[in-house]
Amino acid sequence: KQEVTQIPAALSVPEGENLVLNCSFTDSAIYNLQWFRQDPGKGLTSLLLIQSSQREQTSGRLNASLDKSSGRSTLYIAASQPGDSATYLCAVYNDMRFGAGTRLTVKP
Amino acid sequence: DGGITQSPKYLFRKEGQNVTLSCEQNLNHDAMYWYRQDPGQGLRLIYYSQIVNDFQKGDIAEGYSVSREKKESFPLTVTSAQKNPTAFYLCASSPLDTEAFFGQGTRLTVV
Repeated sequence: KQEVTQIPAALSVPEGENLVLNCSFTDSAIYNLQWFRQDPGKGLTSLLLIQSSQREQTSGRLNASLDKSSGRSTLYIAASQPGDSATYLCAVYNDMRFGAGTRLTVKP
Repeated sequence: DGGITQSPKYLFRKEGQNVTLSCEQNLNHDAMYWYRQDPGQGLRLIYYSQIVNDFQKGDIAEGYSVSREKKESFPLTVTSAQKNPTAFYLCASSPLDTEAFFGQGTRLTVV
């Protein structure tokens, strides 16, 4: 069974910092990996999808990388803002299993 | 508008009752999923379906049942056998192992 781990579990940073969230998985035979954002009490919003043939994807201040051979993905957030405060989750496909998430707080 | 609709948003259940959570999608996606989320926790997979009339158990299927009679609908029944059903339930759909889209969730509370 695929196991997905996210480190750190929680992170608090001052506004403007660049930061990195980590996602690791045990079975490298994945199709795709997707990063989501979840605000309290809400559903999940897709941030970035990395297909298995890709190594990274970028959207605005977000950059996600994928290294299948080592079973790792990172989400890089540049110039963090208070509006980035949320829980960030990664999901790996074949059967869409999630990590427990990283709860990010960006302080003004 | 295309998307996934979960209803109701809030649901209260008495102990010993079965309740059914609705999930409908108009995205023409083949795959649909149900997850449970407990406070401060990640998402745990309950059931998933990749085609109509077929579904597979996830990691925590005990006490739950599903059906997939139509491509656009994947209802989840929380049975009385589920000992601790209070949680946030999320439904998702995907065009088979690619990008997934989520509903806004149903919060179930046992009273």
